[in-house]
Amino acid sequence: DVKVTQSSRYLVKRTGEKVFLECVQDMDHENMFWYRQDPGLGLRLIYFSYDVKMKEKGDIPEGYSVSREKKERFSLILESASTNQTSMYLCASSLWQGAGGYTFGSGTRLTVV
Amino acid sequence: GQSLEQPSEVTAVEGAIVQINCTYQTSGFYGLSWYQQHDGGAPTFLSYNALDGLEETGRFSSFLSRSDSYGYLLLQELQMKDSASYFCAVRIYNQGGKLIFGQGTELSVKP
Repeated sequence: DVKVTQSSRYLVKRTGEKVFLECVQDMDHENMFWYRQDPGLGLRLIYFSYDVKMKEKGDIPEGYSVSREKKERFSLILESASTNQTSMYLCASSLWQGAGGYTFGSGTRLTVV
Repeated sequence: GQSLEQPSEVTAVEGAIVQINCTYQTSGFYGLSWYQQHDGGAPTFLSYNALDGLEETGRFSSFLSRSDSYGYLLLQELQMKDSASYFCAVRIYNQGGKLIFGQGTELSVKP
């Protein structure tokens, strides 16, 4: 089975801190994605990447950046954390234009205080 | 723009059959997917329809009609463990295969 591993299950950070969320997948998937999930708002795409060193903005990229230096690893960076970035962050991976769906990581619940 | 509409809540009893509908407004997508998410957990992939028609996977079936911009997830022989949120999603052409999700339907299964 494909595994998508997110480095932390829970994180608490202070306003203004730089925060790194790490995601690693082990099935050589081309595509990787970062979503955030908030009550009443569903899953919203922050950034995605379809190849090493490639990145595309999703629907809500403001306040975030990403890094994909290796195919298996996709990092989400909060440059200066703010309280409105308190959320559940979900990483996912998939084959390029493949049938079927995404495999999600177990999520990181980030609280910014 | 692209959007998917689902009912926000559905309630059913154990052993029953329930259908969760998804209507969409989007042009050019590879297929319609369904995901299940239990409280506090990550979404897990349930099914995918690339073509019109019915796909069956055990107790779950999914249907797509591109001409009607409509799909549904059918859950049979409901069990208490099926209580969860269910999301429909489409993979968009020419955008890295990114998924656009519906807002989710919370299914409550009662004894």
